[in-house]
Amino acid sequence: QQQVKQSPQSLIVQKGGISIINCAYENTAFDYFPWYQQFPGKGPALLIAIRPDVSEKKEGRFTISFNKSAKQFSLHIMDSQPGDSATYFCAASMREYGNKLVFGAGTILRVKS
Amino acid sequence: EAQVTQNPRYLITVTGKKLTVTCSQNMNHEYMSWYRQDPGLGLRQIYYSMNVEVTDKGDVPEGYKVSRKEKRNFPLILESPSPNQTSLYFCASSLGAMTEAFFGQGTRLTVV
Repeated sequence: QQQVKQSPQSLIVQKGGISIINCAYENTAFDYFPWYQQFPGKGPALLIAIRPDVSEKKEGRFTISFNKSAKQFSLHIMDSQPGDSATYFCAASMREYGNKLVFGAGTILRVKS
Repeated sequence: EAQVTQNPRYLITVTGKKLTVTCSQNMNHEYMSWYRQDPGLGLRQIYYSMNVEVTDKGDVPEGYKVSRKEKRNFPLILESPSPNQTSLYFCASSLGAMTEAFFGQGTRLTVV
């Protein structure tokens, strides 16, 4: 199974709050899990990525939590800001397929000021 | 500036009229890919290339062709476009597996 399931489809958070986006996958051969951020009219840009031998990775206000046994991973945005309003995609890839990314459906995040 | 450049940004065409969307990267990346983005479906890979003259199908290759004659260029060809190919298209490049993929600005294609 190549699917990556992402939820929620959309999310509204107050400024300063925590945004949480969840993803789940089936194929245990996936070995790289990036998150991409996309602003309107732009291409996706890498936000943060994790490999399955690590349970958590933090970069500034952004944290990925990874649960290998549950085949789930999530993005947490602490102290959410209006500038974080964007579409977020989780993705997964397998080394044997080069850098082919299998994307989730996306989450539209709106941070209210 | 390191970038992936796609042209055109916007294109409206008629069913059956062949078109090419160009993609060029200046980062000397080995890997290049084409994705299409549709609401509720995320991005889906159309074709990818791991090196010059090496291309392979992604998840939704029907109706598309690609070529990789030079390392920096990876054009997407629609020989006979149909309305179901109306979409937002992205070219991406990366150094290798499990590395950051750099995306172009996108090409919004409408087939009427």
